[in-house]
Formats: sequence, C-alpha cells, structure tokens
Amino acid sequence: RKEVEQDPGPFNVPEGATVAFNCTYSNSASQSFFWYRQDCRKEPKLLMSVYSSGNEDGRFTAQLNRASQYISLLIRDSKLSDSATYLCVETNFNKFYFGSGTKLNVKP
Amino acid sequence: GAVVSQHPSWVICKSGTSVKIECRSLDFQATTMFWYRQFPKQSLMLMATSNEGSKATYEQGVEKDKFLINHASLTLSTLTVTSAHPEDSSFYICSAAGQGYGQPQHFGDGTRLSIL
Repeated sequence: RKEVEQDPGPFNVPEGATVAFNCTYSNSASQSFFWYRQDCRKEPKLLMSVYSSGNEDGRFTAQLNRASQYISLLIRDSKLSDSATYLCVETNFNKFYFGSGTKLNVKP
Repeated sequence: GAVVSQHPSWVICKSGTSVKIECRSLDFQATTMFWYRQFPKQSLMLMATSNEGSKATYEQGVEKDKFLINHASLTLSTLTVTSAHPEDSSFYICSAAGQGYGQPQHFGDGTRLSIL
C-alpha cells in the first residue's frame, strides 16, 4: 500500500467552480503535510502547508483530519491558471512521501 | 522565500557521455537534498536522499554507480549521470529541505536531459 494516495483525476471544472481534492495517508505518526502544484514540464512548487486547525490562503483552503488520516485542498472561484497537477506530501522525520498527483483542468 | 537553483536546465549529449547536474540552496542551509526523476506524464520518482557529509541513500532499483551523488556542503549537491544512454533521458529535479522540524522541500527548476 502506498504511503499517500490521491485520486489522479482529471477533474474538469468550469471557471468559477469550487473544487476539492482529498489525499489519504497511511502513517498515523506523520508529522507535517503540504500541498504542491506542478505545471506541465515544470518543477513542483510549494502551494501551502497544512495545519491541524486548517488554514486558508486566498482562494485556497487546506485541512487536515488526523482521525481519518486525510488532508484536503479546496479551491474556490477556480481560474484557468489553476490548471495543474496538485501533489500532497506528508513527512515523517525528514522522509517525504509524495502522492502521485491530482490533475485539475479549469475550462472557460 | 527559499530558493533552490539547479543547473543546467537543459542538456543534450551523445550516448556514453557523463553529465553533471548541480543543485544549490541559495538562501538557506540544506542538511538534506533529494534527487528525483520524472518521465513524461508520470509521477515524481525519488532516486536518492543526500545528506551533507555522508553517503547518499538510494531508492531500490537506482544504481548508485550510475548516478553518483555528492553533497559536499550545506548548499550544494551534485548528481552525475555516468555513461548516459538514451534510456536515461528524463527530467531530473533536485530539492532541498531546510533545517528544523517540519520544513517543506523546495525544488530546483529541473534539468531536462536528452541523450542521443
């Protein structure tokens, strides 16, 4: 079983839609969690950290549910420029585990 | 924000050539650096974890004699693809994690390697 599981998608949504991705992890001792986005043929870029209390950055909201061992990313008012692959990451003592990514296509 | 520089961005060379890729953390000290490879439309694949001053830890199936990693300082790690062949053509990406608990990885721009 993989450490981190993500629905590969693609999620095809119209501009302005709200879309949410979940990511489950298997290690209950995992310490930190992050969301990255990766554009085609580019390196992953850190989008946001995920805190137990939930955190928001503009149109993006990340949440962590330790009891059910999943993290989520909510994108409100989707823009065309949000089209990318979103990777969730969990870490445990400086070992990082990446999900395989969820592809989002925002269409006009 | 944290910046990781990777060089070169693009390499095209003949089969049998050895290629060296540099990864530098520009504004923070990175105890640990990571090397990934990504084939088109596939996920990132971790090749090795590099700790400053010690030998790299390679993932299963990655040949350590083929992919030489050196992490001589807290700001520089290098990956050398020795005697590269066309099947080594890929997108190689390094990342660095800052010191301290719970720090995220920051990625270099990647190196697109094409072996003819």
